[in-house]
Amino acid sequence: SYVLTQPPSVSVSPGQTASITCSGDKLGHKNACWYQQRPGQSPVVVLHEDTKRPSGIPERFSGSSSGNTVTLIISGTQAMDEADYYCQGWDSSAVVFGGGTKLTVL
Amino acid sequence: QVQLVQSGAEVKKPGASVIVSCKASGYTFTAYYIHWVRQAPGQGLEWMGWIKPSSGTTQYEHKFQGRVTMTKDTSTSTAYMELNSLTSDDTAVYFCAREFIGAAAEDFDYWGQGTLVTVSS
Repeated sequence: SYVLTQPPSVSVSPGQTASITCSGDKLGHKNACWYQQRPGQSPVVVLHEDTKRPSGIPERFSGSSSGNTVTLIISGTQAMDEADYYCQGWDSSAVVFGGGTKLTVL
Repeated sequence: QVQLVQSGAEVKKPGASVIVSCKASGYTFTAYYIHWVRQAPGQGLEWMGWIKPSSGTTQYEHKFQGRVTMTKDTSTSTAYMELNSLTSDDTAVYFCAREFIGAAAEDFDYWGQGTLVTVSS
């Protein structure tokens, strides 16, 4: 089955830039998005269409896409950004989530 | 405002079935798919399938085919997810989420609050 691969964890110092990658063979075929999930809460979409920010999402969240990899970039990372992040892609009309990345702001 | 409100926590015995509901409000129910996603304790998100409320068309993740049924009641703007033959591996928080039909974004812009299903003898 189709797999999206993320690093299990990423650490960043406050004010620095965090990058979280997501790799998968079919990422170039259809849009991907990113969700932030804080403990005990429902996920929230922070990027869609690979690189676009939904309304209400801070400008420090951005994305890039190249070949079979999409990247979530958080510039000027704040303590409140500490959370789990999941990429989501598609295998035809089926949804696939990455395994998730725990972002720690040290 | 848009809301997806799910039913309350459930405790079930192995072999039983569970039905989780997701009541939508604040938007046109038939304009969005309803997806179901679960998350086992300490684990990641796992997609289960979707239903198109306007037609009742469904697609299920292969892993759950034969054991899951997704339905809808358009008169009450409510979607349902039934999972049968429960085992302890089904202990998880179950979420519903919506996706705009035909959107370029193809993301889940609103999620329910989650329903904890505990399977224990």
